Amino acid sequence: KNEVEQSPQNLTAQEGEFITINCSYSVGISALHWLQQHPGGGIVSLFMLSSGKKKHGRLIATINIQEKHSSLHITASHPRDSAVYICAVSRGSGGGADGLTFGKGTHLIIQP
Amino acid sequence: NAGVMQNPRHLVRRRGQEARLRCSPMKGHSHVYWYRQLPEEGLKFMVYLQKENIIDESGMPKERFSAEFPKEGPSILRIQQVVRGDSAAYFCASSTQSSGNTIYFGEGSWLTVV
Repeated sequence: KNEVEQSPQNLTAQEGEFITINCSYSVGISALHWLQQHPGGGIVSLFMLSSGKKKHGRLIATINIQEKHSSLHITASHPRDSAVYICAVSRGSGGGADGLTFGKGTHLIIQP
Repeated sequence: NAGVMQNPRHLVRRRGQEARLRCSPMKGHSHVYWYRQLPEEGLKFMVYLQKENIIDESGMPKERFSAEFPKEGPSILRIQQVVRGDSAAYFCASSTQSSGNTIYFGEGSWLTVV
């Protein structure tokens, strides 16, 4: 079993829908990261969480440390949100980028 | 992605040749990380470097792969005697310190071994 599991693997939705992507992990972590990757493109860091909830524009990320679970929500989804969303956990002492363990990603397609 | 520069973006090498991938971190960042993304697989950590030091290379294959981050110039990921299985996207990331800071990724270098 992978240390970081994401669901769903693939998600197709209509423009405007509320999107939820889930991430569960099985190891102790210092922080959890949500990343976005467009096809053939680079990776953008969306959030770094160690507790609670963060919001940036239409994106919301939550984490429950006790349940070892995090969710990424997209409100009022738009076709430009189509990308692969990757959950990664850090076991480094400060939550940084060393030793990140990644989920396999969720392929999101938003249809107009 | 702003500021982390990787080159080349695409590299084609024949089996047995050497591949050199370069990463210039964001200005002011002294921590560099390399990750590999194999086709249809997730990203995997390879190595963490600070200037002139390898901090953690637990994700590096034991043979043919090496990395450096010299005092001057970019970080280099070097793959000797490439094989088809080395075909992948190689991503570099940088941060100001290893803890508590946002990670900035480069656009990636896509290596194809023919």
